[in-house]
Amino acid sequence: AQSVAQPEDQVNVAEGNPLTVKCTYSVSGNPYLFWYVQYPNRGLQFLLKYITGDNLVKGSYGFEAEFNKSQTSFHLKKPSALVSDSALYFCAVRDRLSAGNTPLVFGKGTRLSVIA
Amino acid sequence: EAQVTQNPRYLITVTGKKLTVTCSQNMNHEYMSWYRQDPGLGLRQIYYSMNVEVTDKGDVPEGYKVSRKEKRNFPLILESPSPNQTSLYFCATSLGSLISTDTQYFGPGTRLTVL
Repeated sequence: AQSVAQPEDQVNVAEGNPLTVKCTYSVSGNPYLFWYVQYPNRGLQFLLKYITGDNLVKGSYGFEAEFNKSQTSFHLKKPSALVSDSALYFCAVRDRLSAGNTPLVFGKGTRLSVIA
Repeated sequence: EAQVTQNPRYLITVTGKKLTVTCSQNMNHEYMSWYRQDPGLGLRQIYYSMNVEVTDKGDVPEGYKVSRKEKRNFPLILESPSPNQTSLYFCATSLGSLISTDTQYFGPGTRLTVL
């Protein structure tokens, strides 16, 4: 079975400071990992994904995430937070060995608030 | 412009009154899916479709039906809505059904309240 955990319901950070949104996963094999962002009254938007290769993945809006196999983590990071980054962030995982119709499993979401 | 549209965006209804939430995409994607989002529970998949006339249950299918008669449309049907189906619903699509790395594209959401 595959699962993903986002241990923080809420993350607060001051504008200009670095931000981290945490995600850990559990799969039988190797993972495909995704981050999505949800702005108020909007659907989820894709930020970035890890498939294979370089453990540091760069995505939209200056975000990046680091895949750490030994810690089974895929934390989302940004060097300098903006107020406009305030949103709900979802981590998702799919086992690489699973069939294509195996759904993405989403975490419960982390609400990021960037304070001016 | 590539997009996923859902209608209605907001709906308040009463218990037992059948309703349909439509989802349409213009990207010629094979894979379409419905999720519900509830506080503290994240997104949970209701049903998915790998292509026309191919649908299957997700994690929480009870009380829902779907159909996929055309590639672009994937309506979600609640035959007899109940208050526990009050939720925020998202339709999502991706290019191929057998490619695990595909990015999903989400519609804007439908907020449903069942009284």
